[in-house]
Amino acid sequence: NAGVTQTPKFQVLKTGQSMTLQCAQDMNHNSMYWYRQDPGMGLRLIYYSASEGTTDKGEVPNGYNVSRLNKREFSLRLESAAPSQTSVYFCASSLSTGAGELFFGEGSRLTVL
Amino acid sequence: QKEVEQNSGPLSVPEGAIASLNCTYSDRGSQSFFWYRQYSGKSPELIMSIYSNGDKEDGRFTAQLNKASQYVSLLIRDSQPSDSATYLCAVNQKQGAQKLVFGQGTRLTINP
Repeated sequence: NAGVTQTPKFQVLKTGQSMTLQCAQDMNHNSMYWYRQDPGMGLRLIYYSASEGTTDKGEVPNGYNVSRLNKREFSLRLESAAPSQTSVYFCASSLSTGAGELFFGEGSRLTVL
Repeated sequence: QKEVEQNSGPLSVPEGAIASLNCTYSDRGSQSFFWYRQYSGKSPELIMSIYSNGDKEDGRFTAQLNKASQYVSLLIRDSQPSDSATYLCAVNQKQGAQKLVFGQGTRLTINP
């Protein structure tokens, strides 16, 4: 019973490097999300995908790109990492964007030096 | 004004007492409201949802909603040390595409 799986769990990057965070869910959910969490800031939405084939910007999309590869997978890419992107990243999924119950992955801690 | 606002705390409550967590929101058209609990180093998990004005009880937890005042709260009765966590208020906004917006969270500590 995996739920939402995201990889990697930890990553250290140098400024300017690129990387992709992977996320997969096995609950047949339609909607998927990427959030970042910084101390004192709560969860801020980066991008979301309401359904397969669609993606939309959230509150803090700058510096990120996403791909909804299929219904199960939603990846987040940092093209040129900056220290301001040091954060904990959470992938989540839900039946729809109108459903309030989000199921979260375990999080990915990213440090950009 | 933040879209969803919480007192970041920390809030310290003695074991056995009632913990009261508060949240205000700006989108008057919001229809659904949620409380998530997040233990340190873990991911958030849903503990309560509320959709209409009034109180909703689930075990030791009670969610309260007042749409006129744009206010939602969470009461934890008979607080236990295991309730020590950060509590995140989330609101499903109706402006534009529906999406969940989180407050910054309130860190709660229950003292034995």
